[in-house]
Amino acid sequence: ETGVTQTPRHLVMGMTNKKSLKCEQHLGHNAMYWYKQSAKKPLELMFVYSLEERVENNSVPSRFSPECPNSSHLFLHLHTLQPEDSALYLCASSQATGLAEAFFGQGTRLTVV
Amino acid sequence: EDQVTQSPEALRLQEGESSSLNCSYTVSGLRGLFWYRQDPGKGPEFLFTLYSAGEEKEKERLKATLTKKESFLHITAPKPEDSATYLCAVLANSGYALNFGKGTSLLVTP
Repeated sequence: ETGVTQTPRHLVMGMTNKKSLKCEQHLGHNAMYWYKQSAKKPLELMFVYSLEERVENNSVPSRFSPECPNSSHLFLHLHTLQPEDSALYLCASSQATGLAEAFFGQGTRLTVV
Repeated sequence: EDQVTQSPEALRLQEGESSSLNCSYTVSGLRGLFWYRQDPGKGPEFLFTLYSAGEEKEKERLKATLTKKESFLHITAPKPEDSATYLCAVLANSGYALNFGKGTSLLVTP
C-alpha cells in the first residue's frame, strides 16, 4: 500500500459536470496539500490543510472546492471547470506544514472537454 | 517573493557521462531545499532535503549540495534509468508549503 493514494488516476469531464478527486494518506501526517501541474509550469500550490483546517488558499477560483474531513483524507470538488483547468492534480502530505518534506500521490490526470 | 530557477531546462547525456543540474533560489529565510524525481505521468518522488549551506547528501549516483544561493544535483556515471524530470523546491521559514521550480528534464541514452 503506497503512502499517498489518489483516485481516480484519470478523469474526463464536461464543463457542466461535477466531480470529486480523492486523496488518502497512510503516513500519519497532519498536513495535506493540493497542487496543480501544467505543462511547462512549476507545480502550483492550491490549498493547504493542517489538522483538517485550511491554512492557505492560493487564490484558487471557487470552481475548485477542497474538503478535509479528517487528517487522512482530502477531497477536491470540481464544478463548471474550463478547458484550461486540464492538468495533473497532485495531492501531498507532510508531518506538519512548514516543517518537512512532502510525499506525493501519483496524481489525477484531468481533462476538461 | 520566493523564486526557484532550475537550469538547464533539458539535458541529454550519454550513459556514463557525468553532469550537474542547477537550482538557484531566492527566499526570505530558508527552512529547507528539496530535490524530487518525477517520472512521466507519476507524482514526484522525494530524494533529498538540505538545510544549511555546505551540506551534502548522496544516494546511489546522485549527490546534492547547497550554498547560500543555489543547489546542485550531481549525477555521476548516469544510466538510462536515471532519465526523469528533477524538481527543486524551497521551504521558507514563513511558508506553509514547498515552492517548486519548473524542473530539468534529463534523458540518458545508452
